[in-house]
Parts: sequence; C-alpha cells; structure tokens
Amino acid sequence: EVQLVESGGGLVKPGGSLRLSCAASGFTFTNVWMYWVRQAPGKGLEWVGRIKGKIDGGTTDYAAPVKGRFTISRDDSENTLYLQMNSLKTEDTAMYYCATCITAPGSFDSWGQGTLVTVSS
Amino acid sequence: DIVMTQTPLSSPVTLGQPASISCRSSQSLVHSNGDTYLSWLQQRPGQPLRLLIYKISNRFSGVPDRFSGSGAGADFTLRISRVEAEDVGVYYCMQATQLITFGQGTRLEIK
Repeated sequence: EVQLVESGGGLVKPGGSLRLSCAASGFTFTNVWMYWVRQAPGKGLEWVGRIKGKIDGGTTDYAAPVKGRFTISRDDSENTLYLQMNSLKTEDTAMYYCATCITAPGSFDSWGQGTLVTVSS
Repeated sequence: DIVMTQTPLSSPVTLGQPASISCRSSQSLVHSNGDTYLSWLQQRPGQPLRLLIYKISNRFSGVPDRFSGSGAGADFTLRISRVEAEDVGVYYCMQATQLITFGQGTRLEIK
C-alpha cells in the first residue's frame, strides 16, 4: 500500500525557516517524481514545486511565489522527500501536502494527509 | 502559466440528481506526446485528497462509475450521474501538461 506521511509543520515567525519531510513507502521511490502542494485555510490547492526522479536527473521546479525561498530535495536511501522553507511569509500559512503519481499518468494518485505550517508573529 | 477556470464555484444538488462541473484552461492541454493531462480530484471533509479521473476520462481505481469525465483541448467536464450524500465536498480540476495548475474548486452540496 502506498503511503505518504508528512511531518515537520508548526508555528514559525515571519522570516523564519522550517523543513518539512514526507516519508514514502509502498512503492519504488528512487525514480518517481515527487511534488509539494499547499492549501491556505479556506482556500484552494496551490502547486508548490516538484523534484524529478533520479533517472530523469533529479531536477526541481518551483511555483513563482516560492521560487528562491523554498528548496525541494530527496533522500532516495531513506525514501524521504523534503521541503526546506526559508524567509517565510504570513501568506505561506497553509496545509502542505506531498503527492505523487504511481499508476495514473499526469495526475496525483497518492497524497499524504498534510502538515500544517503557520507563519505568524 | 496555464490558468484553470472552474464553473460553477458552488453547486447545490438534490440527492439522486445529476451534477456537472466545467473546467476550462487558458490554453490547450494537449501535450507534445499527444496525451492530455487533465484530472479531477475530490476533497471531502476530514478525508485525504482523492483522484477521481485522469487523462480526461479515465476513472481511477475504486472510483464509482457514477463519476465520468469528458472533454478535449481546453474544455472539460466532470459529471456525477446520481449524486449521493458521500459526494459532498470540493472538486478540483488539475492540469499537468505544463507544470501543475489547479482550478479554484467547486463546492458540491446537497439542497
């Protein structure tokens, strides 16, 4: 069974940093593209960024609002995805989900339960 | 960036009646490989996000056949043939042809 479990959320002051983790299991992690998606309270889904699998170079892409502040990485030996968030702003307050596509091309067929990040003074 | 526009944003429906949600993209979602990466997701209160439909019309594993997707190019529709109480929630279209973009979400509620 595919499982994605996020952790690392919490309360942080504006300008602060936080690192989220997403532990993956139930599939071969190394070559799977992994994604972060967020949802501000009462709002819709927003794509944050992605990291390609090892076979595709492991490169990253980011949404404009987080580019230069957030960094996605992965540890294939630990089957874990990371999101390093720096220079946090109040508008980064959201539930952060990791997601991926295992069997359904061009979609997110597997989601974590999310971890809440609150940026507030 | 591709912009996804859903209508309506709220849909009150009678149990047992059909419902449909429209999703339009600001440009064609046909990928250079010929596929169209348009999917539909469901978010129910207290439940994880759930994939319903991928590549326009392919029902994901375990999704009831009352859910169907159709469309082409930049114009897509999710239909529920007979709404059940468990269908209450928010529905999102998502494109993955060029990075990722979501529609604003459509809230399905029972009249």
